[in-house]
Amino acid sequence: QVQLVQSGAEVKKPGASVKVSCKASGYTFNAYYIHWVRQAPGQGLEWMGWINPNSGVTNSAQKFQGWVTMTRDTSITTAYMEFNRLQSDDTAVYYCARVKDEYTSSSSLNYWGPGTLVTVSS
Amino acid sequence: QSALTQPRSVSGSPGQSVTISCTGSSSDVGGYTYVSWYQQHPDKAPKLMIYDVTKRPSGVPDRFSGSKSGNTASLTISGLQAEDEADYFCCSYAGTYTWVFGGGTKLTVL
Repeated sequence: QVQLVQSGAEVKKPGASVKVSCKASGYTFNAYYIHWVRQAPGQGLEWMGWINPNSGVTNSAQKFQGWVTMTRDTSITTAYMEFNRLQSDDTAVYYCARVKDEYTSSSSLNYWGPGTLVTVSS
Repeated sequence: QSALTQPRSVSGSPGQSVTISCTGSSSDVGGYTYVSWYQQHPDKAPKLMIYDVTKRPSGVPDRFSGSKSGNTASLTISGLQAEDEADYFCCSYAGTYTWVFGGGTKLTVL
């Protein structure tokens, strides 16, 4: 069965960086894009970007360009999302999610990881 | 890229029907057939309920249905049940391989 297992909660100081991992299993990793979505406490979902695990090509929302990096390691079927220059309003649960259809980013998200809480506090 | 507009809350009694709207623009909801809806219970990950405006994934009850008219998409839940109480988020393709979510709607089953 498809599973996405994310790394554990993190506490970071403002200005620091964080790298969240998303270990995929139960399917052909290279065939399905991975998206990243975040949710601040008590707030809605915010789409951050996606990575094509096959090519490594990424695309992200304009507000995250330049300070969020998405990568993957196909040898261990894991996707990563790295944030630089964290601020307090980056405190959120960060989800990775797999698309429903193969080889396209234009597909809804039918498998989600459990989320990783990143807390930014001095 | 602004969030899609959803009502903050809706409510209904068991057995009734409720509809949640999701308003965007011709650059997102109105321009594509890639609208999806997600259900989220407290402290849980979202769950896909509707995709491509009207389609239901396997396992989602047929009480859930989706539609779209112009720049507004809608999720209708008929025959409300207690377990339907949750937050609901719409999501739309917004061009140039980007996506946008709605602000979310809290559904209360009275």
